[in-house]
Amino acid sequence: AQSVTQPDIHITVSEGASLELRCNYSYGATPYLFWYVQSPGQGLQLLLKYFSGDTLVQGIKGFEAEFKRSQSSFNLRKPSVHWSDAAEYFCAVDPPYGAGSYQLTFGKGTKLSVIP
Amino acid sequence: DADVTQTPRNRITKTGKRIMLECSQTKGHDRMYWYRQDPGLGLRLIYYSFDVKDINKGEISDGYSVSRQAQAKFSLSLESAIPNQTALYFCATSERGGVGNEQFFGPGTRLTVL
Repeated sequence: AQSVTQPDIHITVSEGASLELRCNYSYGATPYLFWYVQSPGQGLQLLLKYFSGDTLVQGIKGFEAEFKRSQSSFNLRKPSVHWSDAAEYFCAVDPPYGAGSYQLTFGKGTKLSVIP
Repeated sequence: DADVTQTPRNRITKTGKRIMLECSQTKGHDRMYWYRQDPGLGLRLIYYSFDVKDINKGEISDGYSVSRQAQAKFSLSLESAIPNQTALYFCATSERGGVGNEQFFGPGTRLTVL
């Protein structure tokens, strides 16, 4: 069964510092990959997604993610964190068309705290 | 107006009560989903529906039932609520035939079972 691992439960960074949130998946073929953000008291908002092509994808709010097939990873990055980025971040995967059940499997999330 | 709405946003109930959570969407999507979120466990799929006549159990369907009243409406019921069903519940939608399975989420319903 496919799974998604977010190794870091909680990360604290200073405002202005760089950020990298890790995501690893276990699946034979390259799945579709997503990062969602959940701000306090809010639903989930899509930050970015990877389906194919360029392995570095740009998202909203200044985030980017890099897909590395050899490492089965899809890490989320931001060069300079803002206080408003404090939230919980979820990585999710979906198997490619024809190979799966059209469901998303979510990681357990990484909570980001930002120190002023 | 929000594309995916959930009612109620907050609910407190007692053990043994029947509860219905409702989800409506204006995105025109065929697929709808119900998830629950618990701290440290991420989102887990309860039920999903690919159209009005196609309803499927997810990872944790025990104790829950659903109804797809129309393309735009998907309700989740707890027939006899228990305290460990206290959680944040999300409805989501996705488009049939789209590349990948990008899902769009409602704002969530916080349910507390006493």
